Amino acid sequence: NAGVTQTPKFQVLKTGQSMTLQCAQDMNHEYMSWYRQDPGMGLRLIHYSVGAGITDQGEVPNGYNVSRSTTEDFPLRLLSAAPSQTSVYFCASSRSSGGSASAPQYFGPGTRLLVL
Amino acid sequence: QQPVQSPQAVILREGEDAVINCSSSKALYSVHWYRQKHGEAPVFLMILLKGGEQKGHDKISASFNEKKQQSSLYLTASQLSYSGTYFCGTVNSGGYQKVTFGTGTKLQVIP
Repeated sequence: NAGVTQTPKFQVLKTGQSMTLQCAQDMNHEYMSWYRQDPGMGLRLIHYSVGAGITDQGEVPNGYNVSRSTTEDFPLRLLSAAPSQTSVYFCASSRSSGGSASAPQYFGPGTRLLVL
Repeated sequence: QQPVQSPQAVILREGEDAVINCSSSKALYSVHWYRQKHGEAPVFLMILLKGGEQKGHDKISASFNEKKQQSSLYLTASQLSYSGTYFCGTVNSGGYQKVTFGTGTKLQVIP
């Protein structure tokens, strides 16, 4: 199993550009989530999904869109990149379903994004 | 709202013990603990569900006091490999699973 994969590993954008960060998992996990990590801020939840077709907002959703058309994939879209979105982005998945909140999350390797 | 972790940073010598605390202002269903080494992704350590249980993982254990909405991570006889940043993640009672992480505790173990 590859686990959780993320692409690209590193990306430079100009302000106003859009892009999609890809996340895929091969563990048949229902739950997937996106976090951003900034120095001193910990991991902040952007969006999450409890299954295909179901997504919800986390703590910092503004400027980001998600969709979940399959169990395996959970892409994160930046609509119009801003310097404040410079960060490291982690995708995670968990076998938790139905709000059980009792299973560990497995994180991908991360995407480093720089917005100029 | 993010849980509050303390201390923010700690330096230990090999063999010393440490405690990392995590507290929330909301009723909790579960607490998750992760460790992240520099430049890597966070790695799962353990989950504690409401019920006041204590769990162990080698020389790392944790407790969860749901009445106080607090959890503590105990590192015993620390090893160099314990160095990293520790995050607690909390799940509030009710609703879907949504893990909210604290800002982390940076632990450095020196020889």
